Amino acid sequence: DAKTTQPNSMESNEEEPVHLPCNHSTISGTDYIHWYRQLPSQGPEYVIHGLTSNVNNRMASLAIAEDRKSSTLILHRATLRDAAVYYCIPNTGNQFYFGTGTSLTVIP
Amino acid sequence: DSGVTQTPKHLITATGQRVTLRCSPRSGDLSVYWYQQSLDQGLQFLIQYYNGEERAKGNILERFSAQQFPDLHSELNLSSLELGDSALYFCASSPTGWSEKLFFGSGTQLSVL
Repeated sequence: DAKTTQPNSMESNEEEPVHLPCNHSTISGTDYIHWYRQLPSQGPEYVIHGLTSNVNNRMASLAIAEDRKSSTLILHRATLRDAAVYYCIPNTGNQFYFGTGTSLTVIP
Repeated sequence: DSGVTQTPKHLITATGQRVTLRCSPRSGDLSVYWYQQSLDQGLQFLIQYYNGEERAKGNILERFSAQQFPDLHSELNLSSLELGDSALYFCASSPTGWSEKLFFGSGTQLSVL
């Protein structure tokens, strides 16, 4: 399993963009990069995933480095509802291992 | 609402006892995952089932067992409970269990006293 490194915590002002980094230098060629988030007292929820190209959906954008050793989750305008722990998970196949993630605080 | 249902939401029991946690996956999903989340260990993968068969095993203790039934619901059995087993237990489901998004339930909070 690819090891990941994420900052323990980050802060953002409300309505500002947020860039959440993840290093996954041991990622294999077939690993997709998944991002999940966990709001307080809830189960994790899927945010976005990609393989090589940058990806966009209604929740966020995912920027993947050309060498795939790192990626960045971009929340375009942080809201209070985005305060959560964000997990970056390189994955091939059937096992998803959650690390410690980044705890995002959104300041009103 | 993810479509994954876990029961009960809360469970309080004593050391040495046995409990069963239940999970109903989203309609059409064949794969079920179990995770344990405690304050000091984070979110730990326990076990995965696909269409009734065990597919992957993580950090699951021998005192714990799971199964997936023909109707695709799954149960996680925890026996000889210890104080350290107190945690939030999550179930997740996915259509095929292979590198696709997981849908998590809201969890069962287990307190062992």
